[in-house]
Amino acid sequence: DIQMTQSPSSLSASVGDRVTITCRASESVTTFLNWYQQKPGKAPKLLIYAASTLQSGVPSRFSGSGSGTDFNLAISSLQPEDVATYYCQQSYDSWTFGQGTKVEIK
Amino acid sequence: QVQLQESGPGLVKPSETLSLTCTVSGYSISSGTYYWGWIRQPPGKGLEWIGSIYYSGITYDNPSLKSRVTISVDISKNQFSLKLTSVTAADTAVYFCARVDYGSGKWFDPWGQGTPVTVSS
Repeated sequence: DIQMTQSPSSLSASVGDRVTITCRASESVTTFLNWYQQKPGKAPKLLIYAASTLQSGVPSRFSGSGSGTDFNLAISSLQPEDVATYYCQQSYDSWTFGQGTKVEIK
Repeated sequence: QVQLQESGPGLVKPSETLSLTCTVSGYSISSGTYYWGWIRQPPGKGLEWIGSIYYSGITYDNPSLKSRVTISVDISKNQFSLKLTSVTAADTAVYFCARVDYGSGKWFDPWGQGTPVTVSS
């Protein structure tokens, strides 16, 4: 099984800050890496697929990068509506999610 | 646009079988291109992929669930279903269904709103 590890588990940042979340795979997943945003009480929403492609309708302040085993999700300017938990997911060999990163406003 | 809606009992007794259905609207499952998946989230915890199915019946299951999972598809009703046998309290979770883009990256989009299931006597 491919294991996905996210860091940090949680973070607190100010509005306007740049925020970066890291996701590491236990083996190469090439670019089969997706990012989801989940707000409390809601279903996850696809943000980025294939490591770096922004899903239609997602604000351009979100971006993804990486390949192989190391990936990043960045929010260029944190907004209040970005408060959520973010999950990475590998889809190279079946599917596995990271444990999530909770983002809060300081 | 495509929408998914989960349905099923919200309470299941230990050792019994959990049965859920996902009804798809705005897209015909039999059109192909996509897989259809089940994901769950225990209270306060992260997401766990349960399994996925193609309209032809091809399935992929999470081995950690030790063969307790059966996923099936009903083309006539444009639905797919999940059965999880021998449930315990550890199976208490919100269960989501989602469409799986199998064309290139195999991401999950969109998702149903989720349905909570509690395992308790």
